[in-house]
Amino acid sequence: DQQVKQNSPSLSVQEGRISILNCDYTNSMFDYFLWYKKYPAEGPTFLISISSIKDKNEDGRFTVFLNKSAKHLSLHIVPSQPGDSAVYFCAASGDSGYALNFGKGTSLLVTP
Amino acid sequence: DTGVSQNPRHKITKRGQNVTFRCDPISEHNRLYWYRQTLGQGPEFLTYFQNEAQLEKSRLLSDRFSAERPKGSFSTLEIQRTEQGDSAMYLCASSTDRASYNEQFFGPGTRLTVL
Repeated sequence: DQQVKQNSPSLSVQEGRISILNCDYTNSMFDYFLWYKKYPAEGPTFLISISSIKDKNEDGRFTVFLNKSAKHLSLHIVPSQPGDSAVYFCAASGDSGYALNFGKGTSLLVTP
Repeated sequence: DTGVSQNPRHKITKRGQNVTFRCDPISEHNRLYWYRQTLGQGPEFLTYFQNEAQLEKSRLLSDRFSAERPKGSFSTLEIQRTEQGDSAMYLCASSTDRASYNEQFFGPGTRLTVL
């Protein structure tokens, strides 16, 4: 059963605009939520994370929002740049052990 | 480069053969993880080491799979009697027990193709 879901397989955004990537989860015991970016032929690269006790974390152009009651998180990229084009994975952990539970990913394309 | 390294990057084998992959974590990281990623899916957890102790194993890790981390540094993942369904990207990640949010750092992966 997929505990972390990314329901949009792809997203296309113009350069300079905001990209919003969404993620839903089912396990209320998750403590930590993370976003990873993946380029072809490379491993996932850690981007930003948030604890379940917070509702927002910001790092430069990247902001993650957490809505615990809705079991929903989102990643905002402002402004979007062509180099942001990649697959973005949402991950969660904490119900037991240290395994990361990943969504299926959203492929972001930022067009000039 | 002080990131996670994995070897080989690509492996093609025939069904029924055994294969072994190696992972070298970031030097000060005491936690090491193996994941598997198939096309269109996110990485799926296989197993986790704290130093040399294997503390978690997924039910995905069948008895044909074995992982070791004998000295608490590098790790190996062996697949015996490979099957076509084992074709996937095998990812290794490492972290420190001081990680604030369980952030794990991934290597480039080993792509396995079973013919």
